[in-house]
Amino acid sequence: EAAVTQSPRNKVTVTGGNVTLSCRQTNSHNYMYWYRQDTGHGLRLIHYSYGAGNLQIGDVPDGYKATRTTQEDFFLLLELASPSQTSLYFCASRAGDEQYFGPGTRLTVL
Amino acid sequence: GEQVEQLPSILRVQEGSSASINCTYENSASNYFPWYKQEPGENPKLIIDIRSNMERKQTQGLIVLLDKKAKRFSLHITDTQPGDSAMYFCAASKRGSALGRLHFGAGTQLIVIP
Repeated sequence: EAAVTQSPRNKVTVTGGNVTLSCRQTNSHNYMYWYRQDTGHGLRLIHYSYGAGNLQIGDVPDGYKATRTTQEDFFLLLELASPSQTSLYFCASRAGDEQYFGPGTRLTVL
Repeated sequence: GEQVEQLPSILRVQEGSSASINCTYENSASNYFPWYKQEPGENPKLIIDIRSNMERKQTQGLIVLLDKKAKRFSLHITDTQPGDSAMYFCAASKRGSALGRLHFGAGTQLIVIP
């Protein structure tokens, strides 16, 4: 099964803080995605990528930057964190039609 | 774009009965419809999917129906067990599109009462 890892698993920061969430997949999948999960909204796409150096904007990109440095690594950056960004963040990679999700990062912005 | 509506948001059923979750989509070009199950504290995992060249698919107590005219698809879980208690997400996408992104519904919390 495809392996997607995320770090950190939990993060607490303050308003205005700088946060980087990391995602790594070791299956040479081209496509990677960042979602946030909030009650009542399901999984909402923030940014995605189809390869190193590529970046596509999702449905809720405001306040987030992303960078795909290699085939394996996809980062989500919050440069000025706000309480509205408190959420559960999932990274996923895709092979064929199926998306494989990482274990998630719970971010709290105080 | 695409919008996927999912109902109900919470579903309580008695163990052994069946459970049904319904989703609708807007974009007639969507042709791939997966269902993901997320157990408490876990990540979402694909449990079944259907493509637009099919109307019905069944696997291990799961049935998916697709009505392209109505732009509606549904998941039916037969003989529910406590292990079926989880969050379920439907999604839609257009296979073969450049990035194959999924548009998810808001989710259904299924609670199976022993």
